Amino acid sequence: DAKTTQPTSMDCAEGRAANLPCNHSTISGNEYVYWYRQIHSQGPQYIIHGLKNNETNEMASLIITEDRKSSTLILPHATLRDTAVYYCIVTGGTSYGKLTFGQGTILTVHP
Amino acid sequence: SQTIHQWPATLVQPVGSPLSLECTVEGTSNPNLYWYRQAAGRGLQLLFYSVGIGQISSEVPQNLSASRPQDRQFILSSKKLLLSDSGFYLCAWARLAANTGELFFGEGSRLTVL
Repeated sequence: DAKTTQPTSMDCAEGRAANLPCNHSTISGNEYVYWYRQIHSQGPQYIIHGLKNNETNEMASLIITEDRKSSTLILPHATLRDTAVYYCIVTGGTSYGKLTFGQGTILTVHP
Repeated sequence: SQTIHQWPATLVQPVGSPLSLECTVEGTSNPNLYWYRQAAGRGLQLLFYSVGIGQISSEVPQNLSASRPQDRQFILSSKKLLLSDSGFYLCAWARLAANTGELFFGEGSRLTVL
């Protein structure tokens, strides 16, 4: 699986959009970009994934650049409950779901 | 709907004692199953995964073992715990597919070895 690079930490004001970047310059053509988050002392929670098109669901939006070398997870209206570690993971092919979690980005949402 | 349960949620064990963590999935069949560990202040590390009954793959050499006696049951064990086995253990499942990346995690089991 391709390696990903994320900022160590980010801050966001409550009610504002949180934009979390991820670089994955070595991504292969058959690899997807997945985002998870982990709230303290809980298991990771799947957020969204995409291949090359932008994706949106009830939790977030995922913007993937045209060259697929980077992506941005957008939480449109961050709340205090969105404070968590956010992981960007690239996987696909025959990985059978064996995910490699990096250090992620610690997002802190302030009142 | 699908659910995943793991237990116990918390346990404190002495060095050298045995360990058994259990995980069960409901509402699906033939899932991929996974055990991850998160040591204090570190990221999640994949320990074992299984694509079927009796089929276990180990990702890292360690003091632990895993078994899958039934389709939706995954067990993590140790005969003799080490201090370094302390951590937050997470079971997860995914739909059986080669290219899946959508995992559903349990609540976790926090193990402290003293």
